[in-house]
Formats: sequence, C-alpha cells, structure tokens
Amino acid sequence: AQSVSQHNHHVILSEAASLELGCNYSYGGTVNLFWYVQYPGQHLQLLLKYFSGDPLVKGIKGFEAEFIKSKFSFNLRKPSVQWSDTAEYFCAVSRRGNTGKLIFGQGTTLQVKP
Amino acid sequence: DTEVTQTPKHLVMGMTNKKSLKCEQHMGHRAMYWYKQKAKKPPELMFVYSYEKLSINESVPSRFSPECPNSSLLNLHLHALQPEDSALYLCASSTSPLAGEGGLETQYFGPGTRLLVL
Repeated sequence: AQSVSQHNHHVILSEAASLELGCNYSYGGTVNLFWYVQYPGQHLQLLLKYFSGDPLVKGIKGFEAEFIKSKFSFNLRKPSVQWSDTAEYFCAVSRRGNTGKLIFGQGTTLQVKP
Repeated sequence: DTEVTQTPKHLVMGMTNKKSLKCEQHMGHRAMYWYKQKAKKPPELMFVYSYEKLSINESVPSRFSPECPNSSLLNLHLHALQPEDSALYLCASSTSPLAGEGGLETQYFGPGTRLLVL
C-alpha cells in the first residue's frame, strides 16, 4: 500500500536557522507531491507542489522542495525560518491516475523560538 | 480565488442528534472531498465526489452520510454519532481526476468544522 513518511515529528529551531523536513513515499509509479502547512487554528494551506519538470520547486513564504526520484523523497527547505513559520507541516502524495486520493504523512510540528 | 467555505465553524451535538455540515466552493471544481482530522494527526479521507457522484467511500460508518446536491455544494449529514467522532471535519475541492487532465489535481481545503459529540 502507498505510504508517506515524515521523519521529523517535532522540530524546534531558533529564528534565522535553516530548515529541512524530510518526506519519503513508497510508490513506484508516477506521483504528484505536495507540502501543506497548518498554522495554529487555521486551515490547511498549500505551500508548494510538484507534478513534473524541474525537481526543485519554489512555494510561498520562501519555502522550496526538491524531488529526488531515486530516493523517493520530497524534502522541504527554508534557508531562514521566522517565528511565524511555527506550524504543522504535512507532506502528501497522490498517484497519477483517476482516483484523486491524497495520502498524507504524519506531519511535523515546527516550533520556532524568537 | 482558491476559497472553500465551511459552515458551521463549531458544532456541539448529542449522540441522538441529527446535524449537517456544509461545504461550498465556486472555483468550478468537479471533485469534492470530506476528511476527518484528529488533533496533531493528518487528515484522513472519508469520501470523494467526482461530477456529483460518490467515487470513494473509505469504509466510513453509516452514521456519516454525504450528499452532493450540485457541483458547488457538499454536505455531510450526521446521525447518532459517538464521542470518538469528535474531530475537525475538513472539506476540500479540486479539478476532477476524471477530467482528462492527466491526474494533475491540487486539493484546496476549507477551514473545517470543529465537531464535539457529547
């Protein structure tokens, strides 16, 4: 069965530190890849997505992610975090096909200390 | 505009009550989704509607009954819920996987309805 793993469950950083959150998926076919963010008390927002083309994708708020097909990975990065980046981050994958089913990782709680 | 709206924001109901959650989008999307999210957990897919027809039911108990009256609206009817059903219920929409776009759908989420079952 298809699954998504996020290795870091809880990350604590100081402001201006660099961030990298890991995401790996288990599916051998063609996939769509997403990172969503959920700020405290707010709804899930799309940070960025990858469908095809340049494996380095840029999203909102200075986030970027790199798709490495050989490693089945889609890690999220930000060079310098801010206190306002404190949130829950979810990696999600859908199979290229006709179901629309989105599989989420368990999420990573990011706490940025001012 | 990528807005999905949900009402009500909060709902408290007893185990014998009947209530409904409502979701609306005006992005022209033909696929709509219901998810259940517990605190600090990822969303869990419940139902998928594509072109107003139910295409996926993830073995959800019958006390949850979805309805898609038109392409912009999605309802979730609740009856005889249990306390463990207390959660955040999220609605999402996307272009339809059946629309011939090669499976390039992006789901946009609403703010959710926070449900408490007493």
